Amino acid sequence: AQKVTQAQTEISVVEKEDVTLDCVYETRDTTYYLFWYKQPPSGELVFLIRRNSFDEQNEISGRYSWNFQKSTSSFNFTITASQVVDSAVYFCALSEASGANNLFFGTGTRLTVIP
Amino acid sequence: DSGVTQTPKHLITATGQRVTLRCSPRSGDLSVYWYQQSLDQGLQFLIQYYNGEERAKGNILERFSAQQFPDLHSELNLSSLELGDSALYFCASSAAGWEETQYFGPGTRLLVL
Repeated sequence: AQKVTQAQTEISVVEKEDVTLDCVYETRDTTYYLFWYKQPPSGELVFLIRRNSFDEQNEISGRYSWNFQKSTSSFNFTITASQVVDSAVYFCALSEASGANNLFFGTGTRLTVIP
Repeated sequence: DSGVTQTPKHLITATGQRVTLRCSPRSGDLSVYWYQQSLDQGLQFLIQYYNGEERAKGNILERFSAQQFPDLHSELNLSSLELGDSALYFCASSAAGWEETQYFGPGTRLLVL
C-alpha cells in the first residue's frame, strides 16, 4: 500500500532563514514518481518538482533544492533564504506505475515565513 | 497560470441539491483528474478520464459522477448534496498517464448549507 507522510504539520521561520520540509513515502513499486506542490493562501496547487524513482540526483533550482534518498524513502525539500512569499502549504505526493494513475498526497506542511 | 480552467470558482447551494463543476484541461492534455480537498480528508483522488474514457476511480461517492466530452473538457456532477460535501474540488490534467506531471486548476470551492 502506498503512503506519504509529512510529519511536520506547521513550521514557522523568520525571513531569510533556511527551512527543510520532510517527506517520507511508502510504496511496493520499484517505478514511481515523487512530486512537490505548493498551495499558497489563494488556494491553487502549483507544481514545483517531479522526480522518478531511478533518478536520485539531487537538484537545486534557485532558492529551492530537493534531496531524494531511496535508502530512507525520503524526498525532502529545502528553501534557502526564505521569503514571505514562500508562506504556503506544501504537499508531497506519490504516483506509482502499478497504481490508478492518481497522486497520493501527504497531509501537507504549512510554512509561515515571518518578516 | 497552469492552463487548466475551472468554473465556477465558488458555489453555494443547499443540501439535497445537484451541482455541476466544469474543467477544461491544458491544450493537448488527454487526461483529466478530479480531486477533493477537505479539512478532514485532505486531498483525495476521485476519478480520472483519459480521452473520453473512464480510466481510474478513487474514493468517489455514488452520488458523484463525471464525464469527459469529445472536446476533452470534463464535468463533475454532485447530487443529493450533504453538508459534508463542502470542499475545494480540483481538476488536474496531464498529457497522458501516471508518469506525467498533473497540472491543477484553481479549484471550485463548494459550500453546502
